[in-house]
Amino acid sequence: AQSVSQHNHHVILSEAASLELGCNYSYGGTVNLFWYVQYPGQHLQLLLKYFSGDPLVKGIKGFEAEFIKSKFSFNLRKPSVQWSDTAEYFCAVNARTGGFKTIFGAGTRLFVKA
Amino acid sequence: DVKVTQSSRYLVKRTGEKVFLECVQDMDHENMFWYRQDPGLGLRLIYFSYDVKMKEKGDIPEGYSVSREKKERFSLILESASTNQTSMYLCASSLGGGTGNTIYFGEGSWLTVV
Repeated sequence: AQSVSQHNHHVILSEAASLELGCNYSYGGTVNLFWYVQYPGQHLQLLLKYFSGDPLVKGIKGFEAEFIKSKFSFNLRKPSVQWSDTAEYFCAVNARTGGFKTIFGAGTRLFVKA
Repeated sequence: DVKVTQSSRYLVKRTGEKVFLECVQDMDHENMFWYRQDPGLGLRLIYFSYDVKMKEKGDIPEGYSVSREKKERFSLILESASTNQTSMYLCASSLGGGTGNTIYFGEGSWLTVV
């Protein structure tokens, strides 16, 4: 069965610090990978996604993620965080040969100190 | 912009009550989903629908049922609410035809069962 593991449940950073949030999945086939973000009081929205091609994917607000197939990982990065990046971040996996089910990780709460 | 609207943002219900959560999307999406979001557990799929009157169980369907009589509307029903169903419920939609389409979320419905 598919599963998604996010390594950190809570991360606290100061502004301008670099960010890396880990995400590993377990599925041997072809996958689509997503990062979603939920800002306080707002609905979940797509940050970036990987379907195929260049394993380094760029998303909104300066975020990027790298798909490393050999490590079953899709880590999210940002070189310099801002206070407005305070949010909860979810990694998600959808198996391309499977049905419509998208599996989400448990989420990582990021707090950025001003 | 895709809009997924959940009619009730906050509800308080008594144990044993029948509860209806309504969701409407305005982008003619084939797929619609109901998730529940709990701290430390991420998003767990309750039910999804890929067409009118069609439904499939997700990972945690027990105690829930759904209805999709029209393409734009997907309802979640708690037949007899229990305290362990206190949670945030998220409705979502996506295009059909593949497994990698972006899922768009509503703002969520906070349900408290007392």
